[in-house]
Amino acid sequence: GAGVSQTPSNKVTEKGKYVELRCDPISGHTALYWYRQSLGQGPEFLIYFQGTGAADDSGLPNDRFFAVRPEGSVSTLKIQRTERGDSAVYLCASSSGLEDTQYFGPGTRLTVL
Amino acid sequence: AQTVTQSQPEMSVQEAETVTLSCTYDTSESDYYLFWYKQPPSRQMILVIRQEAYKQQNATENRFSVNFQKAAKSFSLKISDSQLGDAAMYFCAYRSNFGNEKLTFGTGTRLTIIP
Repeated sequence: GAGVSQTPSNKVTEKGKYVELRCDPISGHTALYWYRQSLGQGPEFLIYFQGTGAADDSGLPNDRFFAVRPEGSVSTLKIQRTERGDSAVYLCASSSGLEDTQYFGPGTRLTVL
Repeated sequence: AQTVTQSQPEMSVQEAETVTLSCTYDTSESDYYLFWYKQPPSRQMILVIRQEAYKQQNATENRFSVNFQKAAKSFSLKISDSQLGDAAMYFCAYRSNFGNEKLTFGTGTRLTIIP
């Protein structure tokens, strides 16, 4: 596609529920990143994929968070047993590996009630 | 660990005037990249300008330019001839060039353009 796309745009869920957030990177981009942006803050790194493998998952806050990229393209961020503190905008970015610029999607706003 | 500091939570500028947004960072590395991203209300982060640390020449992109002071670890963004469409949150970001691919962001500066 022309840019990074993320679905859904907004997600409202109840505390304790499971959610999946999807990211579709720019075609051909081998690197994919997830960030979380809380209100009034800059984005914070969660996880980075190079191809199908997670090259760096040091930003995942706890074991309720998990991400996959099974075919090296689309990625899904999965959050189990959601908590109100998980409410944030989740941003996805991709890069080609040939340059260092990360291109961002429009984000998914997650609200946990 | 690297940190990025933006000390101006909010800035405003008259349309057509020039404004400078400040950013400082802390790192022990010598090879890295610095970026300015713009985030309008649509939430999408848009790259404004990037600077490679090994380059002494300051980057420019049309009305946007940076003042990169490596020794002082300072990376300010200058916007000339400000336009209404420049109104947004601006984030400064750092990226290591030693295999660590993540971006480290500052807390942002909200820029308002006064017509």
